[in-house]
Amino acid sequence: KAGVTQTPRYLIKTRGQQVTLSCSPISGHRSVSWYQQTPGQGLQFLFEYFSETQRNKGNFPGRFSGRQFSNSRSEMNVSTLELGDSALYLCASSLEVGGEQFFGPGTRLTVL
Amino acid sequence: GDSVTQMEGPVTLSEEACLTINCTYTATGYPSLFWYVQYPGEGLQLLLKATKADDKGSNKGFEATYRKETTSFHLEKGSVQVSDSAVYFCASTGGYNKLIFGAGTRLAVHP
Repeated sequence: KAGVTQTPRYLIKTRGQQVTLSCSPISGHRSVSWYQQTPGQGLQFLFEYFSETQRNKGNFPGRFSGRQFSNSRSEMNVSTLELGDSALYLCASSLEVGGEQFFGPGTRLTVL
Repeated sequence: GDSVTQMEGPVTLSEEACLTINCTYTATGYPSLFWYVQYPGEGLQLLLKATKADDKGSNKGFEATYRKETTSFHLEKGSVQVSDSAVYFCASTGGYNKLIFGAGTRLAVHP
């Protein structure tokens, strides 16, 4: 069974640009969550989607947005990039509420 | 709000030493508790979990017990190996599938 895949694995952007990251969950999983990992702030929850609906959102500015498609694949978008957005962005999928979450390898975003 | 606090690292141990990484949580309800491990260049892997008070999670020689009275979920291993070197994260649930993570503890095990 294939694990959670994230594309691209590495990304370099400049300030002011926007970026879209993609996450494909494990087959059959309908919940997808996104996290930002930085050395200073650690792992912080961005948002969670279930059956194309956002069920929970973390404390991030509106520049961070996401969506989920009918096949459960999810994308997150960051607009007007800032230097502080440089981070590892992790996606996790789960079969059900409270079930084990399986993490992808992450997308390393560098903003110059 | 809900939060997780874990001991700061790095923790440096010799092979076969005992390991304890402290973790405490604050929560309005009764969260499930987890330990995740992150190896260099990889995502997070679930190490063990406990869903209610007094539950003990265990995996690969690691154990943690959900203590409601002390709001703790300390990670223990009786004899660490070099291959256990990684960053360990304690986490609690915060509604639906949201996870609230501690800051992480880096463990380095030397031969």
